[in-house]
Amino acid sequence: GENVEQHPSTLSVQEGDSAVIKCTYSDSASNYFPWYKQELGKGPQLIIDIRSNVGEKKDQRIAVTLNKTAKHFSLHITETQPEDSAVYFCAAMNTGFQKLVFGTGTRLLVSP
Amino acid sequence: EAQVTQNPRYLITVTGKKLTVTCSQNMNHEYMSWYRQDPGLGLRQIYYSMNVEVTDKGDVPEGYKVSRKEKRNFPLILESPSPNQTSLYFCASSFRDRGPFRNTEAFFGQGTRLTVV
Repeated sequence: GENVEQHPSTLSVQEGDSAVIKCTYSDSASNYFPWYKQELGKGPQLIIDIRSNVGEKKDQRIAVTLNKTAKHFSLHITETQPEDSAVYFCAAMNTGFQKLVFGTGTRLLVSP
Repeated sequence: EAQVTQNPRYLITVTGKKLTVTCSQNMNHEYMSWYRQDPGLGLRQIYYSMNVEVTDKGDVPEGYKVSRKEKRNFPLILESPSPNQTSLYFCASSFRDRGPFRNTEAFFGQGTRLTVV
């Protein structure tokens, strides 16, 4: 089955810096890759996603890149702000089976 | 407001005492699933349901049961809870995937923190 690895497990940056979180997946049939942000005491919330037919997607300060050949995808956050502090999860899914497989999470801390 | 509602939010129980965690969604989603979240392990799927009366095991189904009698509800049942089921549980729902132009976003509930002593 699918296996998703996520790095780093913790990431500390200064406000205004960029943050990058990387994930690799094992199943070449996976074709949907969402990223979730989980704030303390809340459920995961989708922040951006990408399908396998595109290589990059941007939404304001966040972007996701996908390399299908290498089977890895990354989340990029620019001009980080303290409110970006949270746990971020990547996930992979083969939409034929509709099962999301999650990475182990990255705790991002943005210091003022 | 579109949402997934779980109850209760917090629960402390004793080993062996049956309990049910409820999950309800108001978005007419076909697909619903349960996850447990443990430190260092991320979210792992327990059970999922593609539609009413259709359920199947996820990665960690042992010790759990589910039912899907109505489209909006997907309760998680622990018949005889044990301490290793102490965890944070999330219910999620989404539309069935219908290709690249159909929104497959999964919406998560607020979570249920369960402690079994």
